[in-house]
Amino acid sequence: IVMTQSPATLYVSPGERATLSCRASQSVRSRLAWYQQKPGLAPRLLIYAASTRATGIPARFSGSGSETEFTLTISSLQAEDFAVYYCQQYNNWYTFGQGTKLEIK
Amino acid sequence: QVQLVQSGAEVKKPGASVKISCKASGYTFTDYGITWLRQAPTHGPEWMGWISTSNGNTNFAQKVQGRVTMTRDTSTSTVYMELRSLTSDDSAIYYCASSHVEADVFDFWGQGTLVTVSS
Repeated sequence: IVMTQSPATLYVSPGERATLSCRASQSVRSRLAWYQQKPGLAPRLLIYAASTRATGIPARFSGSGSETEFTLTISSLQAEDFAVYYCQQYNNWYTFGQGTKLEIK
Repeated sequence: QVQLVQSGAEVKKPGASVKISCKASGYTFTDYGITWLRQAPTHGPEWMGWISTSNGNTNFAQKVQGRVTMTRDTSTSTVYMELRSLTSDDSAIYYCASSHVEADVFDFWGQGTLVTVSS
């Protein structure tokens, strides 16, 4: 299953909303996770089962979607949110998208 | 607290092998399997395989099948991943990870091990 994320780079101002997209080449039901990765660090789990926040993840992060179309929304961007975000399907083995880099506008 | 601590960076020549360790702590080792992933520069992570820490069963990605071995030592709560016949395409950061909150999502990660394959 190929995971395609868009856009590749997203420029957003602090305090604004960011919307990141992930599309699967075939249905993954709701078996979709989102990760955040900062330079030099391992990915951090944000969302699993398409919309469930992982432990300790702030409420400004939310996930939605099912089957082939998914969205990660960050409601009010904080300075620490600027990073690369990956989606991962786990319905048929495991594949990750190529990432969306969230940059300060 | 759950921790996965990996061995240090490696530089290898093409055709060589590399063996990376991942030591787990903060939980019962045999309760959760360990997954290995790797990440090349500017790419998303790539799943390589999984080992059951309770019985040693393994599953590998087709891409590395035949070149990879995963083993575990329950006495030291350590998992090992060996990759053979290295090429420059194997240059990447290698991560071990475990799935506690839900099977198949990776909520705990090691710090990563950089493997560079160069002549």
